[in-house]
Amino acid sequence: NAGVMQNPRHLVRRRGQEARLRCSPMKGHSHVYWYRQLPEEGLKFMVYLQKENIIDESGMPKERFSAEFPKEGPSILRIQQVVRGDSAAYFCASSPRSGQGKSGNTIYFGEGSWLTVV
Amino acid sequence: AQRVTQPEKLLSVFKGAPVELKCNYSYSGSPELFWYVQYSRQRLQLLLRHISRESIKGFTADLNKGETSFHLKKPFAQEEDSAMYYCALSSSNTGKLIFGQGTTLQVKP
Repeated sequence: NAGVMQNPRHLVRRRGQEARLRCSPMKGHSHVYWYRQLPEEGLKFMVYLQKENIIDESGMPKERFSAEFPKEGPSILRIQQVVRGDSAAYFCASSPRSGQGKSGNTIYFGEGSWLTVV
Repeated sequence: AQRVTQPEKLLSVFKGAPVELKCNYSYSGSPELFWYVQYSRQRLQLLLRHISRESIKGFTADLNKGETSFHLKKPFAQEEDSAMYYCALSSSNTGKLIFGQGTTLQVKP
């Protein structure tokens, strides 16, 4: 099992461009979470998705950010018209079912995608 | 409000010294608490969870509901323990994790 795979690992975008970050969950996992780690700050929850459904997007900025997890293919975090403040590490995590800690369920993290906006 | 607080941004100790990374939480209900470790620019790895009461790499953490704390401890720090440590709270059945700000542990030779 290759683990949670994120790509690209590093992405540089100019202000106003679009950034697309991809996350392939671990095999057999149908729950995906996205977190953002801003410089000098901790991780902040952004969105929780199951296949074809957004379950909780309470941490997503209201504009320019969107996420999807289609029936086939990876989960995508899309940032339109990027600004310098979007520069951060974006971590994806997956689990086989909801509820970390319950019945041994564990959330596994990817290695992150580092977005730099210039 | 659900919140996790790690008051120390940086903790620097010498090899062989005891380590305690502090974590306090605010949560109404029965919390599920975890410690994650992140080595330099790598993925977060689950270090331990309070429900299993296990010891990983010599680290332990006890949930103190009276003090709403879940401090991470190790009696003798090793240089390879140098990393960022995050305390996290699982807030609901969705598995959404609320993280503290993180503490960088620096173990000097």
